Amino acid sequence: QKEVEQDPGPLSVPEGAIVSLNCTYSNSAFQYFMWYRQYSRKGPELLMYTYSSGNKEDGRFTAQVDKSSKYISLFIRDSQPSDSATYLCAMESGTSYGKLTFGQGTILTVHP
Amino acid sequence: DSGVTQTPKHLITATGQRVTLRCSPRSGDLSVYWYQQSLDQGLQFLIQYYNGEERAKGNILERFSAQQFPDLHSELNLSSLELGDSALYFCASTRGGLYNEQFFGPGTRLTVL
Repeated sequence: QKEVEQDPGPLSVPEGAIVSLNCTYSNSAFQYFMWYRQYSRKGPELLMYTYSSGNKEDGRFTAQVDKSSKYISLFIRDSQPSDSATYLCAMESGTSYGKLTFGQGTILTVHP
Repeated sequence: DSGVTQTPKHLITATGQRVTLRCSPRSGDLSVYWYQQSLDQGLQFLIQYYNGEERAKGNILERFSAQQFPDLHSELNLSSLELGDSALYFCASTRGGLYNEQFFGPGTRLTVL
């Protein structure tokens, strides 16, 4: 079983929809939780990061972490075709020198 | 543009060969990370260097090695290449040695024929 599980999708939504992306994990040592966006043939780009449990909002993006359930989410409001990409969750314990453990990634398509 | 550069962009080689991938971190970043991304394994951490010293190692094969030079650029050496080594190889950099926001380069696509 992988340390981080993420539904690969693909997920297809109409423009303007609210998108919910999720990851579960098994390692209770994880303290830092990140969401990366990766466009085709590009490197991952950091969207959001949170430390420990709680919510964080940045524009149309909201990240939620529930450490008791070992579950993290990314919500995208008013989704746009430019949001079409692969979304990767990543986690780190804070004691492993930045070694990130990634989920498999969810492929999202927002159609006009 | 993240400020991290990687060369070459694409590399096509044969089984049994050796290749070197190069990464230049963002200006001022001391840490360099190498990741491998394949369809079946996803994005996997290989190795991390901080200011020239190896700090953390993932499931990096013995055929693979890396180093970080005094000017902070890093090289990932892959030898005795196998078909299964075909993947995207990413470099990321951060300011410090512990967790910080990691900025990824555009990657090197390696194809082993």
